[in-house]
Amino acid sequence: EAEVAQSPRYKITEKSQAVAFWCDPISGHATLYWYRQILGQGPELLVQFQDESVVDDSQLPKDRFSAERLKGVDSTLKIQPAELGDSAMYLCASSPRGSRQARETQYFGPGTRLLVL
Amino acid sequence: AQSVTQLDSHVSVSEGTPVLLRCNYSSSYSPSLFWYVQHPNKGLQLLLKYTSAATLVKGINGFEAEFKKSETSFHLTKPSAHMSDAAEYFCVVSTASPGGKLIFGQGTELSVKP
Repeated sequence: EAEVAQSPRYKITEKSQAVAFWCDPISGHATLYWYRQILGQGPELLVQFQDESVVDDSQLPKDRFSAERLKGVDSTLKIQPAELGDSAMYLCASSPRGSRQARETQYFGPGTRLLVL
Repeated sequence: AQSVTQLDSHVSVSEGTPVLLRCNYSSSYSPSLFWYVQHPNKGLQLLLKYTSAATLVKGINGFEAEFKKSETSFHLTKPSAHMSDAAEYFCVVSTASPGGKLIFGQGTELSVKP
């Protein structure tokens, strides 16, 4: 069964350092999402791509966060500089083309657990 | 604007007893609703989804949920809990945006006692 891949699974960094997370969606999925999940809360959308274009980045802290999906396949989320409050799980998800029902169903990767010291 | 409220942050049941996780939604139109499960240090797995077809939705692992428009509820149930059901459960609503943006509830942690 196809899955969303993410790496690394865990990352420990010091504040003010740069970190990057990678996501490879399910093959053929047009839409890719990055979420941030703070401990004890539900995930919140950071950025959404449709192919290589950003559809929604209204919740992305653009002073320190950036995301790209250059060829419309895999994606990288970067934080520079990292702050203590960025400690969280970063989840990637993808959804297929097609009907609204198909596009609404998102498939999640295992996530990257970030700890900023 | 769409939103979901999970009424219990933590539910504890004994193995073999029924499970009820409560969710109320707010939406200005007929919503699509989902339940996702998250085991420790894992990603989210879709349990079931409601998309305006049958109001009683059956999902994986014996879970089901009933959409009640009059009560704006979408509660998740299972007749008999198993130890492996212990996890965090999220009620989710889809917005009207073209990409189907999901809004997550705060989550309900389910504990299952032997």
